[in-house]
Amino acid sequence: GESVGLHLPTLSVQEGDNSIINCAYSNSASDYFIWYKQESGKGPQFIIDIRSNMDKRQGQRVTVLLNKTVKHLSLQIAATQPGDSAVYFCAENRAAGNKLTFGGGTRVLVKP
Amino acid sequence: DAGVIQSPRHEVTEMGQEVTLRCKPISGHDYLFWYRQTMMRGLELLIYFNNNVPIDDSGMPEDRFSAKMPNASFSTLKIQPSEPRDSAVYFCASRRWQGGSPLHFGNGTRLTVT
Repeated sequence: GESVGLHLPTLSVQEGDNSIINCAYSNSASDYFIWYKQESGKGPQFIIDIRSNMDKRQGQRVTVLLNKTVKHLSLQIAATQPGDSAVYFCAENRAAGNKLTFGGGTRVLVKP
Repeated sequence: DAGVIQSPRHEVTEMGQEVTLRCKPISGHDYLFWYRQTMMRGLELLIYFNNNVPIDDSGMPEDRFSAKMPNASFSTLKIQPSEPRDSAVYFCASRRWQGGSPLHFGNGTRLTVT
């Protein structure tokens, strides 16, 4: 992932609708991926992770999809709630490495 | 589990002063990371430790920055002398083992250097 400048991409979604946040990763050697949620004034909070031997993983109201062919990761949030408003980051971990590389983030705004 | 604990939450200092940020990782986690977050550059890894030993400090901006981990439950990030461009939110994070485990972040220290 690459850092962004002053403007984060923003996804506006109606409360109750489903949200899809996309992330393109850069390193084909990455084998572990994580989605984080960051609320104002807080640190990034772990949401869900997936290893490269999987295509899909589900959690509570969240699903992560991994497409290794095109190096694409997505996070789906079902029935989006006001509390889901935050900045969401994807992160990739290269195989046998310890460093997480973060994407630039997507801001999700939930409209009541 | 108390999570990763950082102090102070906010630090305002004048240019040229020394700043020390503190971190207590989650007990049992072998890895500790220091990140910096700014609007321009996002989350940047500064340095990480494994079992209290610095492994990779290639992200440390310059010699003004130093980090230590004297024991498994405490780490410091020091900036001396501080400059206005150091203003950012500094996060500490820990993880249980390498590779396939998530990082757990503290709530950060917001540093403002005037």
